[in-house]
Amino acid sequence: AQKITQTQPGMFVQEKEAVTLDCTYDTSDPSYGLFWYKQPSSGEMIFLIYQGSYDQQNATEGRYSLNFQKARKSANLVISASQLGDSAMYFCAMREGSTGGFKTIFGAGTRLFVKA
Amino acid sequence: DSGVTQTPKHLITATGQRVTLRCSPRSGDLSVYWYQQSLDQGLQFLIQYYNGEERAKGNILERFSAQQFPDLHSELNLSSLELGDSALYFCASSPAGGSSTDTQYFGPGTRLTVL
Repeated sequence: AQKITQTQPGMFVQEKEAVTLDCTYDTSDPSYGLFWYKQPSSGEMIFLIYQGSYDQQNATEGRYSLNFQKARKSANLVISASQLGDSAMYFCAMREGSTGGFKTIFGAGTRLFVKA
Repeated sequence: DSGVTQTPKHLITATGQRVTLRCSPRSGDLSVYWYQQSLDQGLQFLIQYYNGEERAKGNILERFSAQQFPDLHSELNLSSLELGDSALYFCASSPAGGSSTDTQYFGPGTRLTVL
């Protein structure tokens, strides 16, 4: 079973508008971390934002916010005021485990296209 | 720039050969992680080292091995290479490495092409 699901292979957004990238996850661990990364066409993986499973408030980092709905097991990334430079692949990831070892699992990604 | 360095940037080799990828973590980070990104498999966790010791293992093939040295740099050794090993190999690092809160910072990757 997929642990991290990103159902949108590709998305378009108009410059300066907001966009939501979906991510659902599956875990039975009470303690886990959720991450979003951006991969531009140049290939590097850039960390964007983190949400802990016990965090009461949604994480925000500049124009990025994470809409965390624990009961629904979703961790959607919201990008406000889209810019042309936001065009990239976006990956949702979950880190789970125990003292025996933690692993990070990545979703398949969503490719975002920002239109001028 | 994440502060994680990887060499080489590109590597082209032939089937059956052996290669070594090198990674230096961010200053102060004790954990190093290796990932493989391919078109068909996506981004797959291979292995993690923490302060010189193996901490977690993912989908790493027996033909692959890794180690972390006392200066905390790490090497990923890939042997008996096959066409399917062609991929982008990432190294990442984090300050610790034993919890769900560990944020990993990725290097620029090594693009391996096996001909």
